[in-house]
Amino acid sequence: SYELTQPPSVSVAPGETATITCGGNNIGRTHVHWYQQKLGQAPVTVIYDDRDRPSGVPERFSGSNSGNTATLTVTRVEAGDEADYYCQVWDSNTDHYVFGTGTKVIVL
Amino acid sequence: QVQVVESGGALVKPGGSLRLSCAASGFTFGDYYMNWIRQAPGKGLEWISSISPSGRAISVADSVKGRFTLSRDNAKNSVYLQIDSLRAEDTALYYCAKKRRDVFNFDYWGQGTLVTVSS
Repeated sequence: SYELTQPPSVSVAPGETATITCGGNNIGRTHVHWYQQKLGQAPVTVIYDDRDRPSGVPERFSGSNSGNTATLTVTRVEAGDEADYYCQVWDSNTDHYVFGTGTKVIVL
Repeated sequence: QVQVVESGGALVKPGGSLRLSCAASGFTFGDYYMNWIRQAPGKGLEWISSISPSGRAISVADSVKGRFTLSRDNAKNSVYLQIDSLRAEDTALYYCAKKRRDVFNFDYWGQGTLVTVSS
């Protein structure tokens, strides 16, 4: 089955840039979606189709996808960005959805 | 506005069964795929199952195939997850989520319903 690997945690100071990676075999050939999950809350999409932002998501959130790695970038990090972030793809071979292992973003 | 509300979670003994419900509103329910995703305590997200707008196409994760059954009633704007032969590892918060049109992304989630499997 298809697997997506993320770093367990990323630490960043306020105002700096957080970079969260999502590794998967030829992930660049499919679309990647990113979710933010704050403590005790349901996940919320911050990026879909590699780089599109839903309405209401700040421009500070951006995404890219190429080769074997997709990346979520959060610029000018704020305390409110502290959360778990998950990447997700749809595996066309199995018609199954796959989530990444998740990354906890810690704002110092 | 779009709302997704799960219900039916409970404390169940191993080997038992449970039926989770998901009621949706604020969109044309019969036009969208619906999904169940679970999250074990302190763990990541795990996609469980997806059902097409008509209900004719259902996809189920290998980890629960044969024990979990997904169905929907478009007249009631609801989707259901029947869980049989419950195991301790099925303990999780179960989310219902709507799939975004033309994109394999979940754009609206409920707050989840908790299933605890314990003797």
